[in-house]
Amino acid sequence: SYVLTQPPSVSVAPGQTARITCGGNNIGSKSVHWYQQKPGQAPVLVVYDASDRPSGIPERCSGSNSGNTATLTISRVEAGDEADYYCQVWDSSSDHVVFGGGTKLTVL
Amino acid sequence: EVQLVESGGGLVQPGGSLRLSCAASGFIFSSYEMNWVRQAPGKGLEWAAYISTRGSTMYYADSVKGRFTISRDNAKNSLYLQMNSLRAEDTAVYYCARTPPGSGWYPSYFDSWGQGTLVTVSS
Repeated sequence: SYVLTQPPSVSVAPGQTARITCGGNNIGSKSVHWYQQKPGQAPVLVVYDASDRPSGIPERCSGSNSGNTATLTISRVEAGDEADYYCQVWDSSSDHVVFGGGTKLTVL
Repeated sequence: EVQLVESGGGLVQPGGSLRLSCAASGFIFSSYEMNWVRQAPGKGLEWAAYISTRGSTMYYADSVKGRFTISRDNAKNSLYLQMNSLRAEDTAVYYCARTPPGSGWYPSYFDSWGQGTLVTVSS
């Protein structure tokens, strides 16, 4: 089955740029989506189709996808960005949705 | 405003059954594909099941296949998850989540989520 690998944690100072990676075999050929989840809350879609943002998501959030790595980039990080972030794809070979294990973003 | 409200969670013994419901409002429910996604306490997200707009296509995670059944009633704007032969490892918050139209009849991504309902399987 298809596996997505994320770092368990990423730490960044306020105002800096956070990059959260999502590794998978030839993930560049798939549509990758990203979710933010704050404690006690439901997940929120922040990037879809690798680099598109839903309405209401700030331009500070962006995504890219190439080769074996997809990346969620959050510029000018704020305290309110502290959350768990998950990547997700659809694996057509198994007809399964796959989530990465999640990355906890800590704002120092 | 899009709203997805889950209900039906609770405490159930191993081997027991439970039926979850998700009431949808604020959008044309029959135009959207729907899903159940779960999250065990302190763990990550796990997709459980998908259903197409008319209920003709369903997909299930291996962990629930053969035990869980997803269904929908477009006239009632409702999504359901019938859970049988429950195990301790099914303990989780269960979210209903919407897939926007045009995905090609598979769960591409989830653009709206409910707040979840907790299912606890324990004796």
